[in-house]
Amino acid sequence: QSALTQPASVSGSPGQSITISCTGSSSDIGTFNLVSWYQQHPGKAPKLIIYEVIKRPSGVSNRFSGSKSGNTASLTISGLQAEDEAEYYCCSYTGSRTFGFGGGTKLTVL
Amino acid sequence: QVQLMQSGAEVKKPGSSVKVSCKAPGDTFISYAISWMRQAPGQGLEWMGTIIPILKTSNYAQKFQGRVTITADESSSTAYMELSSLTSEDTAVYYCARCQWEVKYFDLWGRGTLVTVSS
Repeated sequence: QSALTQPASVSGSPGQSITISCTGSSSDIGTFNLVSWYQQHPGKAPKLIIYEVIKRPSGVSNRFSGSKSGNTASLTISGLQAEDEAEYYCCSYTGSRTFGFGGGTKLTVL
Repeated sequence: QVQLMQSGAEVKKPGSSVKVSCKAPGDTFISYAISWMRQAPGQGLEWMGTIIPILKTSNYAQKFQGRVTITADESSSTAYMELSSLTSEDTAVYYCARCQWEVKYFDLWGRGTLVTVSS
């Protein structure tokens, strides 16, 4: 059982926007602004796309954005492209030098 | 390009142990932590533990306490993850990742090491 809850799948058409939620608790997401998001294509290692809830690493498209409200963090992808089809994972610091991941969300671009 | 270089695939018997290595760029251990995650076939990512080499401290997920040991050799800039008492449920790809410890995210990942546990 994952520490954080994500929808198993989401889908959207090219050009549309989608949002993936990541629900934790007052002990993790609700307390720490230390949520990160990772994109993973099949057979590949995960890639960091969002950190500290809203920040984007250099080289990551500005079509990816993050937010947080209460115990839930969200990843929004705007202007969907075929290359965005992948698995997406949220991660939060959970205190006491520990981390938790969400179960992952499979994004299908229709 | 900066990379974390992991050791090759392993096949282990149930009850045995496996030790996976992760070689980092030279300055990594001065400024970063190294974390280990795993991903069972068709499953999600699971954080196993983190070592902060400069502090010589390690922290582990409760699930793996007593069964996992993460160490770091600063002289060779190599981190190790050893998992003991293996069962078939430990069959997974094991990833090391560089951890920006102050702000708690994983910005550089190894390619993964497949560990297969089979009799």
